[in-house]
Amino acid sequence: GAVVSQHPSWVICKSGTSVKIECRSLDFQATTMFWYRQFPKQSLMLMATSNEGSKATYEQGVEKDKFLINHASLTLSTLTVTSAHPEDSSFYICSATRDRGDGEAFFGQGTRLTVV
Amino acid sequence: AQSVAQPEDQVNVAEGNPLTVKCTYSVSGNPYLFWYVQYPNRGLQFLLKYITGDNLVKGSYGFEAEFNKSQTSFHLKKPSALVSDSALYFCAVRDTGFQKLVFGTGTRLLVSP
Repeated sequence: GAVVSQHPSWVICKSGTSVKIECRSLDFQATTMFWYRQFPKQSLMLMATSNEGSKATYEQGVEKDKFLINHASLTLSTLTVTSAHPEDSSFYICSATRDRGDGEAFFGQGTRLTVV
Repeated sequence: AQSVAQPEDQVNVAEGNPLTVKCTYSVSGNPYLFWYVQYPNRGLQFLLKYITGDNLVKGSYGFEAEFNKSQTSFHLKKPSALVSDSALYFCAVRDTGFQKLVFGTGTRLLVSP
């Protein structure tokens, strides 16, 4: 099956600093990648959709200047949480789809971000 | 707009008994339906999908799901539950012509020994 690797698995940072999370498709080309945020005991909230070589499409209510997404290649997308604050602490998950039309998504293992 | 409902926050079942996790959906076109499982502090693992064809879909770890168009449902089932099946289960739908998956709120499955 297709493998998506997300790094780091967990990160602790100080308020005001920026954190970058990487999402890589290891054995396929991901035309589209998605970034989700998950609060404890809640479902996944889609933050943005990114297509290689173009600007990400953010969901309503998600600050694009706060959550910078870059999809520079067909195998890599990054999410940068800028000027992080404790309320940004969450579980962030990426997923990627192949250009096969059925929309099956492959998920990274997630990143636990804690801002102190 | 596409949406998914998982009416049960939690399902409890004894090991060896059959289990069902419910999911209903709403889309404007033909649905692509998925079930994923999540273990603590992990990403989502794919279980199965319905795109077209047979209404009964078989997936990983002995799970199956039945697509019912008239009831707009896609319930997840397993004939005999294992304690190791205890996890958080998400149903998701994608409408044809759209890229993104819409997830249900998730159902926590607890299988007791």
